Amino acid sequence: EAQVTQNPRYLITVTGKKLTVTCSQNMNHEYMSWYRQDPGLGLRQIYYSMNVEVTDKGDVPEGYKVSRKEKRNFPLILESPSPNQTSLYFCASWSGAGVFYEQYFGPGTRLTVT
Amino acid sequence: AQSVAQPEDQVNVAEGNPLTVKCTYSVSGNPYLFWYVQYPNRGLQFLLKYITGDNLVKGSYGFEAEFNKSQTSFHLKKPSALVSDSALYFCAVSPRWGNNAGNMLTFGGGTRLMVKP
Repeated sequence: EAQVTQNPRYLITVTGKKLTVTCSQNMNHEYMSWYRQDPGLGLRQIYYSMNVEVTDKGDVPEGYKVSRKEKRNFPLILESPSPNQTSLYFCASWSGAGVFYEQYFGPGTRLTVT
Repeated sequence: AQSVAQPEDQVNVAEGNPLTVKCTYSVSGNPYLFWYVQYPNRGLQFLLKYITGDNLVKGSYGFEAEFNKSQTSFHLKKPSALVSDSALYFCAVSPRWGNNAGNMLTFGGGTRLMVKP
């Protein structure tokens, strides 16, 4: 089954404790992206990747890092989480010429930073 | 910069009645336009897209959307609503040209659709 998986689905952590949210897709997609979803703000792009070792900032990259060492994986790293990063996070992947193709989303990771 | 507005936080409709979820956008040039749906505790699912051609686009689950260039709108419609259509709906836009073409979707804030039996 074609899918995007994220782990963990739920995470509660404390300010300053480094964490990683994993994302993996099995569709051989070139493009991957991370979004955060906040009430009334829709989804905002954090980082995206066009292929292995190629990444770029989205609208809200501050406080986040990403890496793309393998085509299928695109982890999101919070080096020093803060309460304003409490949010619902989605990973997405898509193929080919960008938005000619629809994005496929993972199930989401709900992060709470206390 | 591109932007998307979904003016209604929530739309209520009775089952069997037609529904409309509104979306207006701002982008340089002609846009690519999308609708996604989010069911509770799930990721977003693609519904339909406008790339070029016919202004009326048909998508999944009986939904359709009409691209109106003069009004910069892309409203989502369905002739007869089902209770199972209740979900959160997002409109999104991407420019055709420039550094962000193909790489960055801008989403609206979302509209919650409630279909009552």
